Amino acid sequence: EAGVTQFPSHSVIEKGQTVTLRCDPISGHDNLYWYRRVMGKEIKFLLHFVKESKQDESGMPNNRFLAERTGGTYSTLKVQPAELEDSGVYFCASSQGVSYGYTFGSGTRLTVV
Amino acid sequence: DQQVKQNSPSLSVQEGRISILNCDYTNSMFDYFLWYKKYPAEGPTFLISISSIKDKNEDGRFTVFLNKSAKHLSLHIVPSQPGDSAVYFCAASKQTGANNLFFGTGTRLTVIP
Repeated sequence: EAGVTQFPSHSVIEKGQTVTLRCDPISGHDNLYWYRRVMGKEIKFLLHFVKESKQDESGMPNNRFLAERTGGTYSTLKVQPAELEDSGVYFCASSQGVSYGYTFGSGTRLTVV
Repeated sequence: DQQVKQNSPSLSVQEGRISILNCDYTNSMFDYFLWYKKYPAEGPTFLISISSIKDKNEDGRFTVFLNKSAKHLSLHIVPSQPGDSAVYFCAASKQTGANNLFFGTGTRLTVIP
């Protein structure tokens, strides 16, 4: 079984540019989550999809961040325009049901310069 | 304001000895606690969890202890093995069944052969 796939693995962009991160969950997993870790700090929840619906987006930092999950399969997280403080590692995770032991992807390391 | 704290950024232990990783939390509404393990360039991997109705949960070499009155939990690994070298994250949830996890900043464990 393929795991949670994220790409790109790394992205370096200039302040003000737009970046789109993609997450492919494990096939059949209705629940998809985005988390972010800023260097040296805790991993913070961003949002949770159940199929294509946003179940909880309380962790989204501001309206420069837009997450979508069209068709309930893969998800994208767009940052527009990117700011320096958006740098960090963005993790995606998925689960079949409401379960804490969900599977994380390897993350996308975003660097805004 | 960080609700889950791991005050030791690193820990070194000799192979075969016990590793004890600590975690404190501030929110008394947390009722489910988890430990994740993370290798470089990989996503966090679920290790073990404990509900607030218990004070101990054991899985092979890994045991998690919960002290609700002190708002403290710990992960014991015994015996420690070189392959256990990784960053360990403590996480907590406010409500069983909810998906928004609050993570600590992680503790880097190094097991010395």
